[in-house]
Amino acid sequence: QAGLTQPPSVSKDLRQTATLTCTGNSNNVGDEGAAWLQQHQGHPPKLLSYRNNNRPSGISERFSASRSGNTASLTITGLQPEDEADYYCSAWDSSLNAWVFGGGTKLTVL
Amino acid sequence: QVHLVESGGGVVQPGRSLRLSCAASGFTLSSHNMHWVRQAPGKGLDWVAVIFYDGSGKFYGDSVKGRFTISRDSSENMLYLHMSSLRPDDTALYHCAREDGSPGGFDVWGQGTMVTVSS
Repeated sequence: QAGLTQPPSVSKDLRQTATLTCTGNSNNVGDEGAAWLQQHQGHPPKLLSYRNNNRPSGISERFSASRSGNTASLTITGLQPEDEADYYCSAWDSSLNAWVFGGGTKLTVL
Repeated sequence: QVHLVESGGGVVQPGRSLRLSCAASGFTLSSHNMHWVRQAPGKGLDWVAVIFYDGSGKFYGDSVKGRFTISRDSSENMLYLHMSSLRPDDTALYHCAREDGSPGGFDVWGQGTMVTVSS
């Protein structure tokens, strides 16, 4: 199954803003939108947002998601050391009847 | 509190079978779409299978189709993954995950159970 496309790595300075991207097609990201997950080393993933910008309770407002066409974005403002992690996008693909993931973006906070 | 706890992993020879279990607590498993997601060491997330909350469907990733079967026992609040014809590239940490919304996002994850396929 074709996955979603994410840049392998992004580096940003402390307190700056990072925008991570995730590109799919009209059957997945462009259809029902994307969900974003954060994963720290050795831990299971944590849901940050779903259906583009619905945030589960307890998730900081510094994390916001959006979508333009077939590309979803996750913006993290005021970067903190604890934001250093792997970030994955995911989406339901209505033509494949399958969930697809991006390869993940490793965010480094300098 | 909402929890998912996986079990059943281990070391298995290629071609053999294994059944993973996922115990849910704090919510009713049959009220949500439930998934298995795996992660090979040092690699990204790989979706394995889903069972819809209303039992209307089960779907699988291409790499496991025809070999793996997802099921649940609503009376026990348990989710299962029966894996057969195991291959070395099935080696991974297997997580069960709850989906919030349909489609939504995977909002609850277990810690995972490790499956190693090796002779």
